[in-house]
Amino acid sequence: GENVEQHPSTLSVQEGDSAVIKCTYSDSASNYFPWYKQELGKRPQLIIDIRSNVGEKKDQRIAVTLNKTAKHFSLHITETQPEDSAVYFCALRPLSYDMRFGAGTRLTVKP
Amino acid sequence: SQTIHQWPATLVQPVGSPLSLECTVEGTSNPNLYWYRQAAGRGLQLLFYSVGIGQISSEVPQNLSASRPQDRQFILSSKKLLLSDSGFYLCAWSVGGGDGPQHFGDGTRLSIL
Repeated sequence: GENVEQHPSTLSVQEGDSAVIKCTYSDSASNYFPWYKQELGKRPQLIIDIRSNVGEKKDQRIAVTLNKTAKHFSLHITETQPEDSAVYFCALRPLSYDMRFGAGTRLTVKP
Repeated sequence: SQTIHQWPATLVQPVGSPLSLECTVEGTSNPNLYWYRQAAGRGLQLLFYSVGIGQISSEVPQNLSASRPQDRQFILSSKKLLLSDSGFYLCAWSVGGGDGPQHFGDGTRLSIL
């Protein structure tokens, strides 16, 4: 199946700094790219998503960029806060019923 | 609005015992349904998905099985649990036809003793 490579696996930033997480993929048929946030012991929750006909999408402090030619997409969090600390998963949909997830990035925001 | 219910929230079972986890979705018809397992500190492993009643696709061969007896009900089962079955089990749904994200239930934390 489709492989999704997610980097870095862990990321530690100071409060107020920006955080960037990147995912790369190989299947050019993928057309939908969501990002999930999972707090400790909780379920993954959708925080932002982007479709293949859009290059960038922003929602307050969170933005996602997509480069279909290079086959990578990134999550950008600006002005990070301690409550942003969580594990973040990228995902993509190679087929209509299927979703493939990255291995996750553990983000720690130090106050 | 749509909601997904998953139970139980936690479960402690001895090795060799059976398992039944249930997931139901409200507020939508003919959803795609999924079972994932997440080991501690790890990513999401897709176990089963279903695009309709009685239609189950397995991603990983193991001692688990899934059934979809009703449109919005998805059950994960095992006849004999192994130690390696411990983990966090998540049910998810998405709109039938596949457009849009998957939405997760609160999960079941399964510990095998």
